[in-house]
Amino acid sequence: QQPVQSPQAVILREGEDAVINCSSSKALYSVHWYRQKHGEAPVFLMILLKGGEQKGHEKISASFNEKKQQSSLYLTASQLSYSGTYFCGTDPFSGAGSYQLTFGKGTKLSVIP
Amino acid sequence: KAGVTQTPRYLIKTRGQQVTLSCSPISGHRSVSWYQQTPGQGLQFLFEYFSETQRNKGNFPGRFSGRQFSNSRSEMNVSTLELGDSALYLCASSLSRPARGDNEQFFGPGTRLTVL
Repeated sequence: QQPVQSPQAVILREGEDAVINCSSSKALYSVHWYRQKHGEAPVFLMILLKGGEQKGHEKISASFNEKKQQSSLYLTASQLSYSGTYFCGTDPFSGAGSYQLTFGKGTKLSVIP
Repeated sequence: KAGVTQTPRYLIKTRGQQVTLSCSPISGHRSVSWYQQTPGQGLQFLFEYFSETQRNKGNFPGRFSGRQFSNSRSEMNVSTLELGDSALYLCASSLSRPARGDNEQFFGPGTRLTVL
């Protein structure tokens, strides 16, 4: 089942902060975050694992609330280069065998001068 | 290190035709996943191949198929094309199985398929 991202779109001025949320109806093993700029391929930002381990971008932070099956991506002091569509991908906790990422519809972030 | 490459980059077909898209993963990567991207729908998972075997398949009709070769290169095929198949098709490679551990996916630039 596709995770739900919010907001769908947000416009920021340079230097402002933003939070993008990702919510799933299933218990999750991991949450993955990607950013896609217009006309380009999605680029990996971060993985958050059940149990608290994280791997990813030094300048981006995120949280993973396992109980609420939610993840949030925090973009602080935004720069023009942060503009793009952010996707979360979720991997439900199913024991063995399922290695399928299901992506949300994306959050379009626009940073203006 | 070369990134993920996809060919062709653009393709125009008519309804009823079939099409084959190709994906070459990053050297050493053994897993290849395919996604369909349409406006408003985000990235929808098609299938994943690992060690020449399809490990997962998304909720797409049987007209969508794929395969992986011994060098990890992958192809996907869509038969009897429909107008709704118009989309950007992305492939992504990872060292091993995606979605577990530190196995981030590296996406290719995509193939833009237009069905007329």
